Amino acid sequence: SQQGEEDPQALSIQEGENATMNCSYKTSINNLQWYRQNSGRGLVHLILIRSNEREKHSGRLRVTLDTSKKSSSLLITASRAADTASYFCATERRTGNQFYFGTGTSLTVIP
Amino acid sequence: NAGVTQTPKFQVLKTGQSMTLQCAQDMNHEYMSWYRQDPGMGLRLIHYSVGAGITDQGEVPNGYNVSRSTTEDFPLRLLSAAPSQTSVYFCASSSWAGTTDTQYFGPGTRLTVL
Repeated sequence: SQQGEEDPQALSIQEGENATMNCSYKTSINNLQWYRQNSGRGLVHLILIRSNEREKHSGRLRVTLDTSKKSSSLLITASRAADTASYFCATERRTGNQFYFGTGTSLTVIP
Repeated sequence: NAGVTQTPKFQVLKTGQSMTLQCAQDMNHEYMSWYRQDPGMGLRLIHYSVGAGITDQGEVPNGYNVSRSTTEDFPLRLLSAAPSQTSVYFCASSSWAGTTDTQYFGPGTRLTVL
């Protein structure tokens, strides 16, 4: 079974708006990572947040982590058409070195 | 650096055939892994390795074998292909010091089993 679940499954916004995606997971983790996948391509790493961190920023990206609720959110500010892609969260379990990916959020940014 | 490379990009097999998907990385990463991606399922971990000579099973290991004789290479073998193995396969690598870091993904191999 999948470790992480993203919400919403699909999101459509206008260029310039902010996009927020959520990820929930089931077990204790070492870290949580967000990835982007353009259609038909491989995954590209966006940001990593460790279990002892609560918030991280990278450019237009802001990630939060709430380990008590086992959830994370990814905020993309001032979205651009080029941000159109699928976004996945991935968690590394505290026990073992296995990564689990969620089912992804498909983001469409309309120019 | 080439990063993570995968060959072939596309492959069509008949049921029962065997083949090896190649994966190589030139970043001296200890951790390497194989995933399959099916529509609506996200990525699922097949096998992973934390160093040469060390491999372990992931979430969906049945029907696949791996070996890690060098740090650079991590081939995935399909023993007897089945239509259920039709998928896109991704290899990834990461530095590792007890916990993983950023994973770098290859471009993927699109496999169809008839």
